Amino acid sequence: NAGVMQNPRHLVRRRGQEARLRCSPMKGHSHVYWYRQLPEEGLKFMVYLQKENIIDESGMPKERFSAEFPKEGPSILRIQQVVRGDSAAYFCASSPAQQGGAGELFFGEGSRLTVL
Amino acid sequence: DAKTTQPTSMDCAEGRAANLPCNHSTISGNEYVYWYRQIHSQGPQYIIHGLKNNETNEMASLIITEDRKSSTLILPHATLRDTAVYYCIVRVSGGYNKLIFGAGTRLAVHP
Repeated sequence: NAGVMQNPRHLVRRRGQEARLRCSPMKGHSHVYWYRQLPEEGLKFMVYLQKENIIDESGMPKERFSAEFPKEGPSILRIQQVVRGDSAAYFCASSPAQQGGAGELFFGEGSRLTVL
Repeated sequence: DAKTTQPTSMDCAEGRAANLPCNHSTISGNEYVYWYRQIHSQGPQYIIHGLKNNETNEMASLIITEDRKSSTLILPHATLRDTAVYYCIVRVSGGYNKLIFGAGTRLAVHP
């Protein structure tokens, strides 16, 4: 049973370009969470999505960042017109469809974005 | 979700038990205590969680005080590979699984 798969693992972009990060949740999981970790800092929640719906985007920057989780295919975190401050590790996590209870999150190995 | 307080860093000798404390004095009755860890540059890894009873699994034990205002994660025989940042998180049940990470405790296991 494959875990959460993220790609690319490393991405280099020049300022002003677009970055697309992909996340395939674990089999059977329909909830996806994106976190960002700046160098030497903690994990910051960005957005929580279910299939075709954004449930909580309270941690997403208001501009340039967007996320989607289509009915088919992986979840995508898109960063337009990247700036050097976007350089970070972006982690995706998934969980089953249950709500409530004591569910755990399963994390991927992250995508490391470097903006030159 | 309630706030947690953890020491910034701790040391432990290899083979000894590592006891990582966490204060969550404002925890409410329906909030679980979760522990995750992040080994350098890797994705966070779930360790254990509990509500009010002590819990044990193959990785660790979780001791929750009777008033639930604090807890301790115990790694019974720490190895060098347990060197990581350990996060204590409280999360309400009945909601979705969003976790808010604090600064955690940086555990260094030394030979």
